[in-house]
Amino acid sequence: GAGVSQSPSNKVTEKGKDVELRCDPISGHTALYWYRQSLGQGLEFLIYFQGNSAPDKSGLPSDRFSAERTGGSVSTLTIQRTQQEDSAVYLCASSSGGSGANVLTFGAGSRLTVL
Amino acid sequence: GEDVEQSLFLSVREGDSSVINCTYTDSSSTYLYWYKQEPGAGLQLLTYIFSNMDMKQDQRLTVLLNKKDKHLSLRIADTQTGDSAIYFCAEKLRGGYQKVTFGTGTKLQVIP
Repeated sequence: GAGVSQSPSNKVTEKGKDVELRCDPISGHTALYWYRQSLGQGLEFLIYFQGNSAPDKSGLPSDRFSAERTGGSVSTLTIQRTQQEDSAVYLCASSSGGSGANVLTFGAGSRLTVL
Repeated sequence: GEDVEQSLFLSVREGDSSVINCTYTDSSSTYLYWYKQEPGAGLQLLTYIFSNMDMKQDQRLTVLLNKKDKHLSLRIADTQTGDSAIYFCAEKLRGGYQKVTFGTGTKLQVIP
């Protein structure tokens, strides 16, 4: 696609429910990132996929968070048993990867509200 | 390890110059970036600089890199109200598939 597409753009859920957030990166981009941005806060790195390599999961805040990337393209971030502190905007970005400048293209984000 | 730091907030008057600062800890950074995030939107790349450069200018934007002090700055000349946003610096370490690491972001408020 022309840009990075994220869905849903807004999600309101009840505490304890599971949610899935989807990211459709730019076609051909081998690198994919998930970040979390809480109100008034900076970007918190969650997970990084690069090609067929094992993902860098060092930013996932707890075992309730997981992500997968199927076929090197679409990625899904899953949050199980959501808590109120999970409320944030979840941003996805993709890039061409490699040793070059690696400019990231961001999606518009998925805003999650946990009641 | 990588660590990128920025001040959280900057307020300037319209027409003045803005200088947003960033420090990083890893001297093996290859590319350093500035991204802009307008309210309710994702981040967009403003500019980037390769680590063997000291300065890069693009219209109203000037990026200065001090490798000795591991300090990066973004100067916006003639700041406009439309420049109000959060500005993130970021770095990419040396190596083929290193991830890009972002700073905490600086919120720029332009006062008319």
